[in-house]
Amino acid sequence: ETGVTQTPRHLVMGMTNKKSLKCEQHLGHNAMYWYKQSAKKPLELMFVYSLEERVENNSVPSRFSPECPNSSHLFLHLHTLQPEDSALYLCASSHRDRDFDEQFFGPGTRLTVL
Amino acid sequence: RKEVEQDPGPFNVPEGATVAFNCTYSNSASQSFFWYRQDCRKEPKLLMSVYSSGNEDGRFTAQLNRASQYISLLIRDSKLSDSATYLCVVNYGGATNKLIFGTGTLLAVQP
Repeated sequence: ETGVTQTPRHLVMGMTNKKSLKCEQHLGHNAMYWYKQSAKKPLELMFVYSLEERVENNSVPSRFSPECPNSSHLFLHLHTLQPEDSALYLCASSHRDRDFDEQFFGPGTRLTVL
Repeated sequence: RKEVEQDPGPFNVPEGATVAFNCTYSNSASQSFFWYRQDCRKEPKLLMSVYSSGNEDGRFTAQLNRASQYISLLIRDSKLSDSATYLCVVNYGGATNKLIFGTGTLLAVQP
């Protein structure tokens, strides 16, 4: 596999469920990101991991819990979500400290919270 | 004021037309600038970086005016395949390589 992959592509969950989103990058990057994209809103940065260390937590509620076990994998653990958390969750990766190096995005997980 | 502001459109143009998108950003410390393209129900993909001197890639020209905190994208000879949402993106730099996205401008090229 190449690029950035995300699983699952679609997820429907109830407010009491616990689920995890998975992201994997095959590009040799050392920074990974979670973004949220809601309808009519710009992409919102949620978390940044650089060299496997969380360097940004953009005031995200604690019901979202990221995990970065190594430079190729990133998880987003979800629990007791709210219907307003329904959105497209995008993972991205890049090289750290290279301003013009683009961020490559995965295809996203479309999450619906009932 | 929004950190990155774009006209949401939609811009409906005929094939072959020239179309221009504008974007303003609020943080004067911003260090790098990009245009991303996002097709319907797909992920964003880098279209082009925007350099201080302006840059061109085929039918696409990007310009940056740091004094006015303004970025533009010009598309010449529009194709049907150019139909997408164009996202203006600003990088604040630093250790986190933090990108701030505009809401995007929707372009629909008509036959």
